[in-house]
Amino acid sequence: DAGVTQSPTHLIKTRGQQVTLRCSPKSGHDTVSWYQQALGQGPQFIFQYYEEEERQRGNFPDRFSGHQFPNYSSELNVNALLLGDSALYLCASSLLTGDTEAFFGQGTRLTVV
Amino acid sequence: AQTVTQSQPEMSVQEAETVTLSCTYDTSESDYYLFWYKQPPSRQMILVIRQEAYKQQNATENRFSVNFQKAAKSFSLKISDSQLGDAAMYFCAYRRLDTPLVFGKGTRLSVIA
Repeated sequence: DAGVTQSPTHLIKTRGQQVTLRCSPKSGHDTVSWYQQALGQGPQFIFQYYEEEERQRGNFPDRFSGHQFPNYSSELNVNALLLGDSALYLCASSLLTGDTEAFFGQGTRLTVV
Repeated sequence: AQTVTQSQPEMSVQEAETVTLSCTYDTSESDYYLFWYKQPPSRQMILVIRQEAYKQQNATENRFSVNFQKAAKSFSLKISDSQLGDAAMYFCAYRRLDTPLVFGKGTRLSVIA
């Protein structure tokens, strides 16, 4: 079992550009959540996907959008990048029903210059 | 909104000694879960221990144990017989059954040989 995998591991983008981050959940999991972790901070919830729909959303602007595919993998898209979007982006997968643990990927380090 | 506070930005401990990391949280709910996650330099969040609020007994996982004080809304982590591999960022987190994780800002633990 490969666990949760994220790609790419590192990314450098210019202000104003758009970026797509990818996440494959742990085998058997149906729910994917995305978190933003700024340097020296704890992760902040962006949104959660289940059955290809955004189920919950944190306090992030519409520039942040996502998608979940039928195989449960997910993408996080960020438009019109700002310097403040520089952070570690973590993906976590879980089962929606039942009291299960969330498993995290190793994250994508995004640097906006 | 629920908040999680970790008042110790950094802690250090001698190898083989015991250290306690503090966490307090704010919630008006009675049913919830509390977690301690470890984030080593590899960046992947690893679940260390979890506590269900309805359980009075403190959770224990090998060298890791918690002191859960529900009335005081306190959830500290004790690491016994500290090892060099325990050095990492430690995050306290809260969630209800159907909500995303809310993290504290973390405590950086150093282990001195």
